[in-house]
Amino acid sequence: EIVLTQSPGTLSLSPGERATLSCRASQSVSSSYLAWYQQKPGQAPRLLIYGASSRATGIPDRFSGSGSGTDFTLTISRLEPEDFAVYYCQQYGSSRRWTFGQGTKVEIK
Amino acid sequence: EVQLVESGGGLVQPGGSLRLSCAASGFTVSSNYMSWVRQAPGKGLEWVSVIYSGGSTYYADSVKGRFTISRDNSKNTLYLQMNSLRAEDTAVYYCAIDSSGYDAFDIWGQGTMVTVSS
Repeated sequence: EIVLTQSPGTLSLSPGERATLSCRASQSVSSSYLAWYQQKPGQAPRLLIYGASSRATGIPDRFSGSGSGTDFTLTISRLEPEDFAVYYCQQYGSSRRWTFGQGTKVEIK
Repeated sequence: EVQLVESGGGLVQPGGSLRLSCAASGFTVSSNYMSWVRQAPGKGLEWVSVIYSGGSTYYADSVKGRFTISRDNSKNTLYLQMNSLRAEDTAVYYCAIDSSGYDAFDIWGQGTMVTVSS
């Protein structure tokens, strides 16, 4: 089973700053099957990025994804107040099962 | 508009059973895969189970042999039968689908809370 490790656990930043979130896989992941989600308290997760770098419908272009193999990155170019939330990476494996990372909390500094 | 509405959560004693439902609208449950994902209080997301359009089912090791995913095409509803429940099964349970061919979950329900406690 592929394990996804996200870092850092918490990112303390100010609005307008750039956020860089990391997701590292224990073995190579197909870029086609790497996704990122945003979750706010009391809400269901929202899909941001699929296929490692494609934005889902309605997602602002300040969100971007990159990476391949075992190292993937979610970048928020300029943090807006509504971007402070928890972010999860997710992969879909050949075993037809999904795995989530443990999450990165982006908090207001 | 695609919508998913979960129901069936509640308080159950350890060892008990519960069946969750996920009613879909704007989407045919048999047309693509559908999953259950859970989140324990204050914790991260954990994938639980999936059912594919052809009927194949898969489970996380933590629930295999205790949970059963199924669907009723006539009611356009997804189910999760949970047996032999444990305290560690306490969580919000979400159903989620890939409605756009993203190989990721782009539509989620609002979640239903399951509490396993005596």
